[in-house]
Amino acid sequence: DSGVTQTPKHLITATGQRVTLRCSPRSGDLSVYWYQQSLDQGLQFLIQYYNGEERAKGNILERFSAQQFPDLHSELNLSSLELGDSALYFCASSVSGANYGYTFGSGTRLTVV
Amino acid sequence: DQQVKQNSPSLSVQEGRISILNCDYTNSMFDYFLWYKKYPAEGPTFLISISSIKDKNEDGRFTVFLNKSAKHLSLHIVPSQPGDSAVYFCAAINTGTASKLTFGTGTRLQVTL
Repeated sequence: DSGVTQTPKHLITATGQRVTLRCSPRSGDLSVYWYQQSLDQGLQFLIQYYNGEERAKGNILERFSAQQFPDLHSELNLSSLELGDSALYFCASSVSGANYGYTFGSGTRLTVV
Repeated sequence: DQQVKQNSPSLSVQEGRISILNCDYTNSMFDYFLWYKKYPAEGPTFLISISSIKDKNEDGRFTVFLNKSAKHLSLHIVPSQPGDSAVYFCAAINTGTASKLTFGTGTRLQVTL
């Protein structure tokens, strides 16, 4: 157990739907990062939050949004889902925005049918 | 634009031999590099890192070498063990600016008996 909790582990939904992925960071970690891993692709950075504020943004689609709550857990919202959104979504956390050794959760596997 | 590249999708090595995983990067502003290991159904876990002020960092059976002029780093595992079979991701970061890691596409290592 890495200490980073992601729920749900698996999600199957239809095109056009909206889903929410949840992440609880490791205790004491203030930064949360979201990454997407599509088939045979590397980990693509989506977005980072630090202590409730957006810190950095990657190639995140406009249909996707995220937030970090006062208790530091984070949610990634994916809407108007398309088949191509099927992927593994990982959350990672670190103590501060400058701590490079991220701790990853086990991921949420999203399948859009 | 893939700024971190792992050109070998897979590698097979016999138990006891050396495994060498390679990674190339294009962004000369990257100054800190990390390797992560990923088992199926788990998130990536931090393995070893190296700062650009060094050319080698060793931790037990794992050694990372950095050649800045060639923008190349490699991970050596000696001796390789069956439990090392996993996907290995190379990652890089510019510590002076963004705090997000840029990952390569990964190399699947299989250590055979």
